[in-house]
Amino acid sequence: GESVGLHLPTLSVQEGDNSIINCAYSNSASDYFIWYKQESGKGPQFIIDIRSNMDKRQGQRVTVLLNKTVKHLSLQIAATQPGDSAVYFCAENRSTGFQKLVFGTGTRLLVSP
Amino acid sequence: EAGVAQSPRYKIIEKRQSVAFWCNPISGHATLYWYQQILGQGPKLLIQFQNNGVVDDSQLPKDRFSAERLKGVDSTLKIQPAKLEDSAVYLCASSLDVTGADTQYFGPGTRLTVL
Repeated sequence: GESVGLHLPTLSVQEGDNSIINCAYSNSASDYFIWYKQESGKGPQFIIDIRSNMDKRQGQRVTVLLNKTVKHLSLQIAATQPGDSAVYFCAENRSTGFQKLVFGTGTRLLVSP
Repeated sequence: EAGVAQSPRYKIIEKRQSVAFWCNPISGHATLYWYQQILGQGPKLLIQFQNNGVVDDSQLPKDRFSAERLKGVDSTLKIQPAKLEDSAVYLCASSLDVTGADTQYFGPGTRLTVL
């Protein structure tokens, strides 16, 4: 069936490095994508989003890239910090008219000092 | 601005017992969501309200799960009777509106353990 998935379950980086977290999706009709960060014991926290009519969007230290040709989404974190350690989820909106998010299984980012 | 509030934070029950979770969304948010997050997985939508009406409950196991949002603000999610596989974190989220690009804000969740 259609799903949102991640290529790497765990990503380990050194503090100061750039991190790239990848996500594959299969529903070409999805029009909106979001990255969430979830720390242990907390709910998901919105990081950045992108609409399907864009291919890149930048925030503070984060960039999301969308490649609709290959149905791929990535989150780039610049100068990764220990506080970035968390599980990152991509989610896609599959419904028209109202928002219905389908989340991937997540990638754990471990940042070493 | 206060975030989404949930209680209790933790609950341990035995199978076949009933349990209820409470959620208070961000003030002014019309849309409220309940998600189930099993350990190691992403959140899965259970039910979605717009004010006090149900927008989508297609993934809610209606034989044992129920939810209500009577006055269009607070919401409760109930499980009766609970099964072992209901052990999960139950997350509540809210957004200003129900349209496609409205940001959902999540509460801290209630961790349910069914023994």
